[in-house]
Amino acid sequence: DGGITQSPKYLFRKEGQNVTLSCEQNLNHDAMYWYRQDPGQGLRLIYYSQIVNDFQKGDIAEGYSVSREKKESFPLTVTSAQKNPTAFYLCASSPGQGGFGAEAFFGQGTRLTVV
Amino acid sequence: AQTVTQSQPEMSVQEAETVTLSCTYDTSESDYYLFWYKQPPSRQMILVIRQEAYKQQNATENRFSVNFQKAAKSFSLKISDSQLGDAAMYFCASSPNAGGTSYGKLTFGQGTILTVHP
Repeated sequence: DGGITQSPKYLFRKEGQNVTLSCEQNLNHDAMYWYRQDPGQGLRLIYYSQIVNDFQKGDIAEGYSVSREKKESFPLTVTSAQKNPTAFYLCASSPGQGGFGAEAFFGQGTRLTVV
Repeated sequence: AQTVTQSQPEMSVQEAETVTLSCTYDTSESDYYLFWYKQPPSRQMILVIRQEAYKQQNATENRFSVNFQKAAKSFSLKISDSQLGDAAMYFCASSPNAGGTSYGKLTFGQGTILTVHP
């Protein structure tokens, strides 16, 4: 089945550790996105990529890093510089410019908790 | 820049009744999309309905319809014949439809929790 797979579903991070959240899609979409969701708030954009080997900062990029070496994959690293990383993280993809390019399809999310 | 505001943190409706969720937005884009997404307790984001700003006709998808008032920058969602499965958090979102690095970036509202009473 085509879709977006995020792993792991739950992740625990110790203080000072870097952790990487995985996002893979087999929809052949050009664009991929990472969003953060905090309780009682909407989703906020961390990073996005419209093409392989290129990505842009979103509204809350500090303390995060990404790579886009393959069209199918867009991993997010939460670094030790992110002071409040406990949140729910959602990955999304969209076809890109042309057609219904703006419609985003979402993964099932990763719940990250600092212990 | 885009902003999306949902002024109703919570709404409730009786099963089989109709409910309307409100959304206002602001954007500097000349062309854009508007969306309603549903997030049930599983936290999977599901697209409910989409509206292209250049289209005057309001979008409909079965029991879901929108009232798009472009001049007022308003985009409300009407759910008819509400079902227990409609209970979820609903998010309004906007996205530019012009080329460039902003294309496809979704800006979300704060969400409205919808409770459906049997």
